[in-house]
Amino acid sequence: GAGVSQSPRYKVAKRGQDVALRCDPISGHVSLFWYQQALGQGPEFLTYFQNEAQLDKSGLPSDRFFAERPEGSVSTLKIQRTQQEDSAVYLCASSRPTRKDGDTQYFGPGTRLTVL
Amino acid sequence: SQELEQSPQSLIVQEGKNLTINCTSSKTLYGLYWYKQKYGEGLIFLMMLQKGGEEKSHEKITAKLDEKKQQSSLHITASQPSHAGIYLCGADPGNQFYFGTGTSLTVIP
Repeated sequence: GAGVSQSPRYKVAKRGQDVALRCDPISGHVSLFWYQQALGQGPEFLTYFQNEAQLDKSGLPSDRFFAERPEGSVSTLKIQRTQQEDSAVYLCASSRPTRKDGDTQYFGPGTRLTVL
Repeated sequence: SQELEQSPQSLIVQEGKNLTINCTSSKTLYGLYWYKQKYGEGLIFLMMLQKGGEEKSHEKITAKLDEKKQQSSLHITASQPSHAGIYLCGADPGNQFYFGTGTSLTVIP
C-alpha cells in the first residue's frame, strides 16, 4: 500500500524566496505531523494536525512558517522569505485514526531544502 | 519538554561485531520508539517499548526499556553493512513527539 509521500524531494531556493512543501499522508490517517531535521541532528517537532485542525504549532520557529491542511488530508508547509538557517530536511508523518498511547507514526521520505 | 540523549553519538564497527546504543530521557518514560534513518529515506520504525522491563527483538536487533533508569538500549548482534544508518529514539508524552539526538552507525565490511 502507499505510504506517506512528500514533494518535492529536493528544493533549492534563493534567500528571500517563498517555498511550499507538500505532504500526502496515508489514506485515512487523521493525525499529521511536520518535523524539521537540521544536518547532524534529530528531527524537531514543528506542528500537528488532527484532520483539518491545527492543534499544536508551538514548534514553528518563526511567523515565516505556516502550515495548513484544509481538507484534512494533504498538508502544505510554507516558508516565506527563506533564510539560510531554514536549510534542513522537512519530514512529514501520519498516524492511524484511533490515536491512543503507543500509536505509530509513519514517516515520509522528507524534503531536503537548501537555501542559498 | 522532554530531552532524549543518545550515546554514543557515532559508532564505527567491524562487520560481525555486536554493539549497543543507549537513549536516556530527562523525564519518566511511558513508552519509547526506536527508528532507523538512511540518507534520502524516511524514518523506518523498528520497535516500540511500552512497559518497564520490556524487551523486544526484530531480526538481530533487540531493544530494552528500563523505566527506573529512564533509559532504553538498542543492541545489534553480529552487525552487517545493512545495519548502517542513523538510529533515533523517540518518545511521545502527549501530542508532541520528541526525538533523541541520534547515533550514526557505520559498519565496515
